[in-house]
Amino acid sequence: EIVLTQSPGTLSLTPGDSAALSCRASQSITNKSLRWYQQKFGQAPRLLIYGTSIRATGVPDRVSGSGSGTDFTLIINRLAPEDSAVYYCQHFGSSLTFGGGTKVEIK
Amino acid sequence: QVQLVQSGAEVRKPGASVKVSCKASGFSLSSYYMHWVRQAPGQGLEWMGWINPNSGDTNYVQKFQGRVSITRDTSINKVYMELTRLKFDDTAVYYCARDPGPGYDFFVVWGPGTLVTVSS
Repeated sequence: EIVLTQSPGTLSLTPGDSAALSCRASQSITNKSLRWYQQKFGQAPRLLIYGTSIRATGVPDRVSGSGSGTDFTLIINRLAPEDSAVYYCQHFGSSLTFGGGTKVEIK
Repeated sequence: QVQLVQSGAEVRKPGASVKVSCKASGFSLSSYYMHWVRQAPGQGLEWMGWINPNSGDTNYVQKFQGRVSITRDTSINKVYMELTRLKFDDTAVYYCARDPGPGYDFFVVWGPGTLVTVSS
């Protein structure tokens, strides 16, 4: 089973900053199989990105995904207070797995 | 409006069972795989398995094999997740989620979650 490791654990940033969130797979995966979700406190997750770089419906273009092989990145530009959340990467191969999450704090 | 509505919070003793329901509205369950994902307090997301509501076929994470059962009633557009022999560390919010369509294995619609507390 492929393990997804996200870093950093927490990002503390100010409004207007950019955030770069990393998701590293324990072995090479296809771009098609990497997704990102946002989970705000007390809410269900929300799909942001699928296929490594395709934005889901309603996701602003200041959110972008990239990567290949074992290293994937979620970039959020022009951070706003409403971007405060935990972000998870997800993969499906032999099973469906999530990374441990990166908490983004906007102060 | 496409949405998933889940049953309310549950409290169970260790060793008991719990059955959580998830009602779909705005779409037919028969057209989409339905998944269950859980999240222990302060922890990350853990996928449990899926059901093909059309055929009734299921796929469970090995960790839950023998304890979890995902079923459906397409006549009322509902899916269910039953977890047996509950343990303290089964305390979690349980989410149902829908994929975008056949061949996709990610989640575009989520239920609000159901808190299951296992306590003596």
